[in-house]
Amino acid sequence: GAVVSQHPSRVICKSGTSVKIECRSLDFQATTMFWYRQFPKKSLMLMATSNEGSKATYEQGVEKDKFLINHASLTLSTLTVTSAHPEDSSFYICSATRDRVAYEQYFGPGTRLTVT
Amino acid sequence: GQNIDQPTEMTATEGAIVQINCTYQTSGFNGLFWYQQHAGEAPTFLSYNVLDGLEEKGRFSSFLSRSKGYSYLLLKELQMKDSASYLCAVIGDDYKLSFGAGTTVTVRA
Repeated sequence: GAVVSQHPSRVICKSGTSVKIECRSLDFQATTMFWYRQFPKKSLMLMATSNEGSKATYEQGVEKDKFLINHASLTLSTLTVTSAHPEDSSFYICSATRDRVAYEQYFGPGTRLTVT
Repeated sequence: GQNIDQPTEMTATEGAIVQINCTYQTSGFNGLFWYQQHAGEAPTFLSYNVLDGLEEKGRFSSFLSRSKGYSYLLLKELQMKDSASYLCAVIGDDYKLSFGAGTTVTVRA
């Protein structure tokens, strides 16, 4: 099967600092990776779509300067939350797919971010 | 925009059957997914429907009616481990997954 990992699984940071979350496809090349955010008992909200070697496409309302996405290789995408604030506390989930559309996405285990 | 509705919560007894309904109004349609998500974990794939009809996979079945914008996930012979959130998601003409808010199913002994 296709395995996607995320690191770290949990992170606590102070307001004003930046935190980086890694998403890796372990046994396949991911042409596209998606980053989602999920609030408690709420739906997954797509934040951005990341294609290897090109700039990420952000969804409306998502600040690209605050949520920096880098898709450096076919197996790694990173999400950096810059100048974090308590309202950025959330569950962040990445997914990866072999093609450029959303079919057959493989989800990572998620990262719980808490900003104090 | 995409609008996907599903009930917030459902409760059922171990061994019973539960049906989770999902209605959608989307710009275009390229398939509907059901995912299972345990608290604090990533969603795991259950089913994919793109044509009308019923898809059966073990204890889980999924049905789609494109003309009605309607799907359901049927869970049979419920087990305690089936207690989770079940997410309905649709791919529209933007080729991105849009999720419903999820249905929390609680299985009681």
